[in-house]
Amino acid sequence: KAGVTQTPRYLIKTRGQQVTLSCSPISGHRSVSWYQQTPGQGLQFLFEYFSETQRNKGNFPGRFSGRQFSNSRSEMNVSTLELGDSALYLCASSYDVVGSGNTIYFGEGSWLTVV
Amino acid sequence: GNSVTQMEGPVTLSEEAFLTINCTYTATGYPSLFWYVQYPGEGLQLLLKATKADDKGSNKGFEATYRKETTSFHLEKGSVQVSDSAVYFCALEGRAGGTSYGKLTFGQGTILTVHP
Repeated sequence: KAGVTQTPRYLIKTRGQQVTLSCSPISGHRSVSWYQQTPGQGLQFLFEYFSETQRNKGNFPGRFSGRQFSNSRSEMNVSTLELGDSALYLCASSYDVVGSGNTIYFGEGSWLTVV
Repeated sequence: GNSVTQMEGPVTLSEEAFLTINCTYTATGYPSLFWYVQYPGEGLQLLLKATKADDKGSNKGFEATYRKETTSFHLEKGSVQVSDSAVYFCALEGRAGGTSYGKLTFGQGTILTVHP
């Protein structure tokens, strides 16, 4: 069974540009969540989608947005990039049975460098 | 809110040494607890999990026991190998619904280096 797939793996953008990252969850998983990982802040939750609806959101500015499609695939977008947005962006998926210890599986991540 | 605290790192050990990485948490109710491992340049891999008090998660020689009375989930391994060198993250998933959906709260990570 294929794991969580993220594309692209590496990208370099210029300050002020926007970027879109893509995530394909494990087959059958309906929940997709996104995290930002930086050396200074560690792993921080961005948002979570289930059945094309955002159910949960972390404490990030509105420049960070996402969506989920009917096949559960998800994209996240960052507009007006800042140097501080340079990070590893991780996508995770789960079947989603809240409260029963459902397991969240992570992809390899997308490395974003803003110059 | 929820929080996870891991022991300060980095941790450096010789091969076959005993490993303990401490993890304590603060959460409402009874969260699920996880250990994830991250190898250089890669994403997070689930190492083990526990969903209720006194549960013991285990995998690849690693173990951790969910201790509700001390709000802890310490990671242990009896004999580490060079290949265990990685960053280890303790995490919890709350069960309060709403703000818990799809959200793991992570500790700051502990870098483990094992020398031959």
